[in-house]
Amino acid sequence: SAVISQKPSRDICQRGTSLTIQCQVDSQVTMMFWYRQQPGQSLTLIATANQGSEATYESGFVIDKFPISRPNLTFSTLTVSNMSPEDSSIYLCSVEGRDGGFTEAFFGQGTRLTVV
Amino acid sequence: QKEVEQNSGPLSVPEGAIASLNCTYSDRGSQSFFWYRQYSGKSPELIMFIYSNGDKEDGRFTAQLNKASQYVSLLIRDSQPSDSATYLCAVSNDYKLSFGAGTTVTVRA
Repeated sequence: SAVISQKPSRDICQRGTSLTIQCQVDSQVTMMFWYRQQPGQSLTLIATANQGSEATYESGFVIDKFPISRPNLTFSTLTVSNMSPEDSSIYLCSVEGRDGGFTEAFFGQGTRLTVV
Repeated sequence: QKEVEQNSGPLSVPEGAIASLNCTYSDRGSQSFFWYRQYSGKSPELIMFIYSNGDKEDGRFTAQLNKASQYVSLLIRDSQPSDSATYLCAVSNDYKLSFGAGTTVTVRA
């Protein structure tokens, strides 16, 4: 299993500002994933971040709103830009682990974001 | 159609009873299936995975997979108050996971 440290754990931000969330893994991983969990909802994949290439965004998510960095195999950041109250969610960093050929996802503790 | 659908909750069961959670998925190419437990305010934690048809048991948890019916379930036997949480079904195709909306389970003491 992987140990994932994510920070900040929570923040309250003013609308129109940006917040950068950091994710540190205790081992080298090829792919890192960023999810959003809106209140009362399940997890929605925002993007997949590979080291050395641009992130791949899912439908409904764009780089200008959620820029992602992946400078090395153990670290990634997600920025939530020009925030509005609709961005209030839990943001989760995840990495894959392979066991017997299939994928398991390990999650960081999440960042609870409130935009006021 | 949602990719992964779970039976709507909340599900309330008495302590010691069996809690039954259901999940269907739309992508026949899905390869691996997971059940995550999420306590309020916490991140999801994996409790079971299954990738072959049939049953898989781990302690009080049993996962059942039927790929022909595109159906996966989770049984929690001898339910305890500590099992009260939201259970997320997740389906993997290649490296991406798709999650269901979750079923909230409350175990009554």
